Amino acid sequence: DGGITQSPKYLFRKEGQNVTLSCEQNLNHDAMYWYRQDPGQGLRLIYYSQIVNDFQKGDIAEGYSVSREKKESFPLTVTSAQKNPTAFYLCASVPGGTPNQPQHFGDGTRLSIL
Amino acid sequence: GEDVEQSLFLSVREGDSSVINCTYTDSSSTYLYWYKQEPGAGLQLLTYIFSNMDMKQDQRLTVLLNKKDKHLSLRIADTQTGDSAIYFCAEIPNSGYALNFGKGTSLLVTP
Repeated sequence: DGGITQSPKYLFRKEGQNVTLSCEQNLNHDAMYWYRQDPGQGLRLIYYSQIVNDFQKGDIAEGYSVSREKKESFPLTVTSAQKNPTAFYLCASVPGGTPNQPQHFGDGTRLSIL
Repeated sequence: GEDVEQSLFLSVREGDSSVINCTYTDSSSTYLYWYKQEPGAGLQLLTYIFSNMDMKQDQRLTVLLNKKDKHLSLRIADTQTGDSAIYFCAEIPNSGYALNFGKGTSLLVTP
């Protein structure tokens, strides 16, 4: 079945460590997104990519980095510069170039600090 | 920037109707969305409405749109315990490429 796969489901980070969250989709979608969700908060946009080898910063990009080398994959690295990384991270994708298509979401990765 | 506003909590009894309200920010938003999030899971698209519509019905779900007031509502008929979740209202602002979410409404359905 087509969908978005995020891994791992749970991730723990030590102080000063970079960690990478995986997001893979087999929907042939062009655009992919990373959101951060904190308790009682809506989703805030970290980065998005509309096409391979191109990505843009969202509202809270500081302390994060991404790459888009393949259409199917949009990994997110949480760097040591992100001082408060504990959150639920959601990846989403949308078909085509039009921004008004509904986004499809993965099941999320919960990141915690050790 | 401006926020999409939703009330944070709603509690209803099983079998009653639930109405979740949302005020969005951009009057030129073309589509408006309702997503459902169950504990520990991602977001599931429930329904969406195009801005030239006033109402959309899909089984137990009814979406009402008041463009003048930038008000969107989601009505769930015959609410069941399985409907307990967080419901997010979202828009894509004009010329934007990502969804702008409300903080979510936690719906609790009691027997």
